[in-house]
Amino acid sequence: LAKTTQPISMDSYEGQEVNITCSHNNIATNDYITWYQQFPSQGPRFIIQGYKTKVTNEVASLFIPADRKSSTLSLPRVSLSDTAVYYCLVGSMDSSYKLIFGSGTRLLVRP
Amino acid sequence: GAGVSQTPSNKVTEKGKYVELRCDPISGHTALYWYRQSLGQGPEFLIYFQGTGAADDSGLPNDRFFAVRPEGSVSTLKIQRTERGDSAVYLCASSLGGAGARGEAFFGQGTRLTVV
Repeated sequence: LAKTTQPISMDSYEGQEVNITCSHNNIATNDYITWYQQFPSQGPRFIIQGYKTKVTNEVASLFIPADRKSSTLSLPRVSLSDTAVYYCLVGSMDSSYKLIFGSGTRLLVRP
Repeated sequence: GAGVSQTPSNKVTEKGKYVELRCDPISGHTALYWYRQSLGQGPEFLIYFQGTGAADDSGLPNDRFFAVRPEGSVSTLKIQRTERGDSAVYLCASSLGGAGARGEAFFGQGTRLTVV
């Protein structure tokens, strides 16, 4: 399974765009990139998943360069309620059942 | 229910006791996962079920931990001879199929286990 590296923490202010980058240098051909969000005292929640280029949904965008060795989660115009831990996961079709979480990025959004 | 339900939400037990943690997955989800999360850490994989069988139990820390899913829906995580180091939040998740490459896993609120 590809190992992921992401910043331990980030600070932002309300209304700003936040970009969290995740490195996954040994990503395999069949690997997908998935991001989860976790609030205190809750289980993680799926945000977005992608394989290459760009994926956008109502919550976030995911940018994946051609070499796929990194990915960036983009949160537009964050609010205080976006304060959470964000996890980047890489999973292959061969082991698609097992989500391996790292320590995540703690995002703090200030007023 | 609409989501994954875990009971109890909190459990305090004495060292050496036996505990059972229950997970009710989303109806129709064939895949079920158990994770353990310590303070400040990401969830740690314990075991994965596909239907009734444990497809991967490589994350169970030792033979004091055991999980079952006899009818392919509700699952129970069982911990024997609990130790203080077992204190953590135990999370359950379910998905339609494999959640790594396709789709998403839905997590419950977790059971906070405290061993005193």
